[in-house]
Amino acid sequence: AQKVTQAQTEISVVEKEDVTLDCVYETRDTTYYLFWYKQPPSGELVFLIRRNSFDEQNEISGRYSWNFQKSTSSFNFTITASQVVDSAVYFCALSLTGANNLFFGTGTRLTVIP
Amino acid sequence: EPEVTQTPSHQVTQMGQEVILRCVPISNHLYFYWYRQILGQKVEFLVSFYNNEISEKSEIFDDQFSVERPDGSNFTLKIRSTKLEDSAMYFCASRGRGYVSPLHFGNGTRLTVT
Repeated sequence: AQKVTQAQTEISVVEKEDVTLDCVYETRDTTYYLFWYKQPPSGELVFLIRRNSFDEQNEISGRYSWNFQKSTSSFNFTITASQVVDSAVYFCALSLTGANNLFFGTGTRLTVIP
Repeated sequence: EPEVTQTPSHQVTQMGQEVILRCVPISNHLYFYWYRQILGQKVEFLVSFYNNEISEKSEIFDDQFSVERPDGSNFTLKIRSTKLEDSAMYFCASRGRGYVSPLHFGNGTRLTVT
C-alpha cells in the first residue's frame, strides 16, 4: 500500500525566514514519482515539481528547493526567504509507474507573516 | 498557458438531487481525472478516464458516480443522488502523453449538499 505522511499540519514563519516542509512516503514499488502541489487560498492545485525514484539529485528552482532521500523515504521542500505569497497549503503526493492516480498527503498549511 | 477549466465554481444542491460537474481539460491532453477534497482533508482520487473509458477508480467512486466525455472537449462527473457526505471540492485534472507527465488541475467546483 502507498502512503504519504506530512507530519506538519501547520507552520507559521515570519517573512524572509527559510522554512522546510517535510514529506515521508511509503511504497513497495521500486519505481515511483513524487510531487509537490501548492494550494493557495483561491483553492486551485498548482503543480510545483515531479521527481522519479531513480533521480536523487536535489533540485533548486528560484527560492524553492527539494531534497529527495531514498534512504529515509523523504522528499522535503524548502522555501528560502519566504514571502507572504507563499502562504498556502502544500501537498506532497506519490504516483506509481503505470498507475493513474496520485496519493496525496494531508497537506501542510504554511502561513507567512509579514 | 493552457489550463483546465471547471464550471460552476460553486454548486449547492439538495440531498437526493442529481448534479453534474463540468470540466474542460487542456485540449491536447488524453488522460482525465476527478479528485475530491473534503473540507480540510487531503485530496483523494476518484477516477481516471482514457480512450473513452474508465481506466481506474477508487472505492469512493461507487454506483452513484459516473463520468462522461460527451464531446471532444468536455469531461463531466455526475452524482446521481447526492448525499450530505458528497459535499467537497471536486477537482478535474488532465495530463498529456506519457504517464510521467504531471497532472494539471482545474480550480475546482465546491459542491455543497444541503
